[in-house]
Amino acid sequence: DADVTQTPRNRITKTGKRIMLECSQTKGHDRMYWYRQDPGLGLRLIYYSFDVKDINKGEISDGYSVSRQAQAKFSLSLESAIPNQTALYFCATSDLVKTQYFGPGTRLLVL
Amino acid sequence: AQSVTQLGSHVSVSEGALVLLRCNYSSSVPPYLFWYVQYPNQGLQLLLKYTTGATLVKGINGFEAEFKKSETSFHLTKPSAHMSDAAEYFCAVRDSGGSYIPTFGRGTSLIVHP
Repeated sequence: DADVTQTPRNRITKTGKRIMLECSQTKGHDRMYWYRQDPGLGLRLIYYSFDVKDINKGEISDGYSVSRQAQAKFSLSLESAIPNQTALYFCATSDLVKTQYFGPGTRLLVL
Repeated sequence: AQSVTQLGSHVSVSEGALVLLRCNYSSSVPPYLFWYVQYPNQGLQLLLKYTTGATLVKGINGFEAEFKKSETSFHLTKPSAHMSDAAEYFCAVRDSGGSYIPTFGRGTSLIVHP
């Protein structure tokens, strides 16, 4: 089984809708991250969490929110989706040496 | 502040040829450096990393990279490209000090021709 899982893998939604992307990990890591990937822009950090009680904004947090329900679960929400949030979203965890372990990604299309 | 520059958004090589993907970084403290690979429709996975010690680092699938402090570089190489190496490659830097957040480059797409 995969160490970092994301659901759904693909999602199509309409402008203005609220959606949630979920991430679960079995690696036992405290640190978790949400990134978005856009062609030519690499990965940009949305939010990160160093433990259940610690949530921090990344470089592009506007329009997004997160919830750390447990050590193993970190969800990303788009309160009111807009077309420029169409992207590939990745969840990741990291270990003490700060190597990151990525989920398979969620491809989101906002119409 | 830390930053990463990957030279070339696309690199094209023939099968069997040398692969060279360039990465330059800036960091105010000694860095940790990483190369990740992303195969189509998959997440990123670690190829190799430099934290301390030997500056020539060997990774999976025959790749290696050398940390050159004087040149602030961490270029990725492989002596002989294989068709299965076609993927997106990302260089990342993280300060070895208090910041635990890596900065990623924009990625380089490796194209391998038969």
